[in-house]
Amino acid sequence: AQSVSQHNHHVILSEAASLELGCNYSYGGTVNLFWYVQYPGQHLQLLLKYFSGDPLVKGIKGFEAEFIKSKFSFNLRKPSVQWSDTAEYFCAVRTSGNTGKLIFGQGTTLQVKP
Amino acid sequence: DAGVIQSPRHEVTEMGQEVTLRCKPISGHDYLFWYRQTMMRGLELLIYFNNNVPIDDSGMPEDRFSAKMPNASFSTLKIQPSEPRDSAVYFCASSLERSTEAFFGQGTRLTVV
Repeated sequence: AQSVSQHNHHVILSEAASLELGCNYSYGGTVNLFWYVQYPGQHLQLLLKYFSGDPLVKGIKGFEAEFIKSKFSFNLRKPSVQWSDTAEYFCAVRTSGNTGKLIFGQGTTLQVKP
Repeated sequence: DAGVIQSPRHEVTEMGQEVTLRCKPISGHDYLFWYRQTMMRGLELLIYFNNNVPIDDSGMPEDRFSAKMPNASFSTLKIQPSEPRDSAVYFCASSLERSTEAFFGQGTRLTVV
């Protein structure tokens, strides 16, 4: 069965600091990987996705993520955070095999102090 | 496209009452997911459908929960009877094909008192 683990539950940063949120998954087959963001009181929106090819993917708002297959990891990064990045971030895994099941990690709350 | 549409946005009900949450997926999408979000448990997958057929309902917490998808443009999640611990935000999401990203609705905030 697939599962997703996010290492940090709550991260507090000052503006302009660099961000890295960890995500590890467990699944033996081919996966598609996603990072979603949820701003306070809103629904989840896609930040970026990895299907195949270049393991370094770039998303919206300056976010990027790197897929390291050997480590089953898909960490999210941003060189310089802004106050507006305050939100909850979810890593998600979808199996591209038989079922298309999409599951999420527990989420990481990011608080950026101005 | 209007995106995934959920109704109602907010629901307050008394313990023991039946609650029905509704979802209209994006036209043409063949996967539909129901999730529950709470502070304690995060975002849990309850059930998902492919071409209107339930594929995996292992996340449905109890027999009090049921979900249907009578056609490609409508799904319901029903709780009967509701309990205070069912209070959460329920999200519906849809996707095109099994490997693409899912698009989320605005969610229904359910409060059971």
